Amino acid sequence: KQEVTQIPAALSVPEGENLVLNCSFTDSAIYNLQWFRQDPGKGLTSLLLIQSSQREQTSGRLNASLDKSSGRSTLYIAASQPGDSATYLCVVTHRDDKIIFGKGTRLHILP
Amino acid sequence: GAGVSQSPSNKVTEKGKDVELRCDPISGHTALYWYRQSLGQGLEFLIYFQGNSAPDKSGLPSDRFSAERTGGSVSTLTIQRTQQEDSAVYLCASSLDKGTSSYEQYFGPGTRLTVT
Repeated sequence: KQEVTQIPAALSVPEGENLVLNCSFTDSAIYNLQWFRQDPGKGLTSLLLIQSSQREQTSGRLNASLDKSSGRSTLYIAASQPGDSATYLCVVTHRDDKIIFGKGTRLHILP
Repeated sequence: GAGVSQSPSNKVTEKGKDVELRCDPISGHTALYWYRQSLGQGLEFLIYFQGNSAPDKSGLPSDRFSAERTGGSVSTLTIQRTQQEDSAVYLCASSLDKGTSSYEQYFGPGTRLTVT
């Protein structure tokens, strides 16, 4: 059974720092892995999608990596800003079409 | 272009009543997903449609929950005889057909359901 774990559950860092959010999954037979952010009272916004054949994706200050063999993905945020404060979710689509969400990391950027 | 839309945005209903939640996916997206997020819980997968068929209904929590999709577009999630534990935010997402390089899911704003 696929399990997705995100560490840490919560994180507070001063503005301007670089940070890494972690996601691990137990079954490497995945189709893709997607990172979302969720803002209070709003829906989910897709940040980066990594196909199983890819190792990383970049968008602006964000970089996501994927290591299927070790069952890990990281989301790297460079030069953090207060607007980055949100809950970040890691979502794995398994090859049997099961979609499993991590419980998220609540990120707070201190001005 | 227009994103995924859901209606209503908020719904308050009495225990035992039936409710219908609607999702309009992005035009051209053949895959459609329903999730729910209960207070203090993570996101839970409910059902997935490819076109009008639902190859995976395993996430529906009970037989009070059903979903349909007609014309490969709009989907309706129906909850019969609602219970208080059904209170949650129900999210819909859509994506292009699986098998293409773009399988990214786009989410709607959700419907907040409160069962009193």
